Amino acid sequence: GENVEQHPSTLSVQEGDSAVIKCTYSDSASNYFPWYKQELGKRPQLIIDIRSNVGEKKDQRIAVTLNKTAKHFSLHITETQPEDSAVYFCAAERGGADGLTFGKGTHLIIQP
Amino acid sequence: EAQVTQNPRYLITVTGKKLTVTCSQNMNHEYMSWYRQDPGLGLRQIYYSMNVEVTDKGDVPEGYKVSRKEKRNFPLILESPSPNQTSLYFCASSRQVYGTGELFFGEGSRLTVL
Repeated sequence: GENVEQHPSTLSVQEGDSAVIKCTYSDSASNYFPWYKQELGKRPQLIIDIRSNVGEKKDQRIAVTLNKTAKHFSLHITETQPEDSAVYFCAAERGGADGLTFGKGTHLIIQP
Repeated sequence: EAQVTQNPRYLITVTGKKLTVTCSQNMNHEYMSWYRQDPGLGLRQIYYSMNVEVTDKGDVPEGYKVSRKEKRNFPLILESPSPNQTSLYFCASSRQVYGTGELFFGEGSRLTVL
């Protein structure tokens, strides 16, 4: 089955700086790569996703890049703000009914 | 309001006492799934269902059962809970069946088994 590795497990950045979280996946058939944000005590919520026919997608301060050859994708957050503090999960899906395989999560801490 | 509702939100029980965590969605979604979240292990899929009467095992199904008798409901059953099932459980649903697309999560159910 699919295996998703996520790094780092904890990331601390100064407010206003950029943050990058990286994931690798094992199954070359995977074609959908979402990112979920989970604030403390809350449910995970989708913040951005990308499909395999696209190399990059941007939504305001958030962007995701995908390198299918290397089987890795990354989340980029620019101009970080206190409300960006959360746990972020990457995931990969090959289609079919197997569903998403999640990475172990990155705890992003925004230092004032 | 579109939502996924889980109950109970918090539960403390003892080893061996059967329990059910209910999940209901009002979005007419075909796909529903259960995940458990443990520190350092992320979200791991327990069971999923593509439609009524269709369920299948995820990555960590041992010790759990599910049923899907109605489209909106997908209860998680622990027949004989053990301490290693102490966890935070999330139910989720999605409009898409093949290729889940966006997952909508419930608020979570924190279970402690003593």
